[in-house]
Amino acid sequence: DAGVIQSPRHEVTEMGQEVTLRCKLISGHNSLFWYRQTMMRGLELLIYFNNNVPIDDSGMPEDRFSAKMPNASFSTLKIQPSEPRDSAVYFCASSLGGTLSTDTQYFGPGTRLTVL
Amino acid sequence: GQQLNQSPQSMFIQEGEDVSMNCTSSSIFNTWLWYKQDPGEGPVLLIALYKAGELTSNGRLTAQFGITRKDSFLNISASIPSDVGIYFCAGIAGNNRKLIWGLGTSLAVNP
Repeated sequence: DAGVIQSPRHEVTEMGQEVTLRCKLISGHNSLFWYRQTMMRGLELLIYFNNNVPIDDSGMPEDRFSAKMPNASFSTLKIQPSEPRDSAVYFCASSLGGTLSTDTQYFGPGTRLTVL
Repeated sequence: GQQLNQSPQSMFIQEGEDVSMNCTSSSIFNTWLWYKQDPGEGPVLLIALYKAGELTSNGRLTAQFGITRKDSFLNISASIPSDVGIYFCAGIAGNNRKLIWGLGTSLAVNP
């Protein structure tokens, strides 16, 4: 299995531009997590889907952020408009189960976003 | 919100030394997880703990679920250069099904 796939691996954009990050889950997994990692705040859960349905989006910073899961194997995280404070590494993770608790989360390699 | 205090923040050791790091919380946790993140990669699960007092090993790594359920420890024996990375603890408290993450311990190993 290829594992969780994220694209792009690196993104540099200017303030105000739209950014779209992509994630492909491990085949057969039905839970998807988007995280943001910064030095100051560590790993923060942004949103969590189960069976394509958003379960908890309380970590999404503000309306500029949106996430979708158009099918069982793919998700996008969009930032519009982007701001310099959005610069971070964004991780996608998937797991087999339907809860946040005991199922191992498998992380993708991350997208390093820089907003100038 | 709930916080996990992970210490030390960073460590620089000589190859062959043993390493110990810990994670504490003001709340009782039901599950403790330890992840490792290699440079440029996502975190990978090392050890999962589900019962107070549980001691689990994975090769040279050993982790324990504290008796008070408010802490966990990770030990690495006979460190090698490939142990370099950031080690994260994560846990689930009570009925809150969210995984709470520590800020990580950055480990550097001098060959």
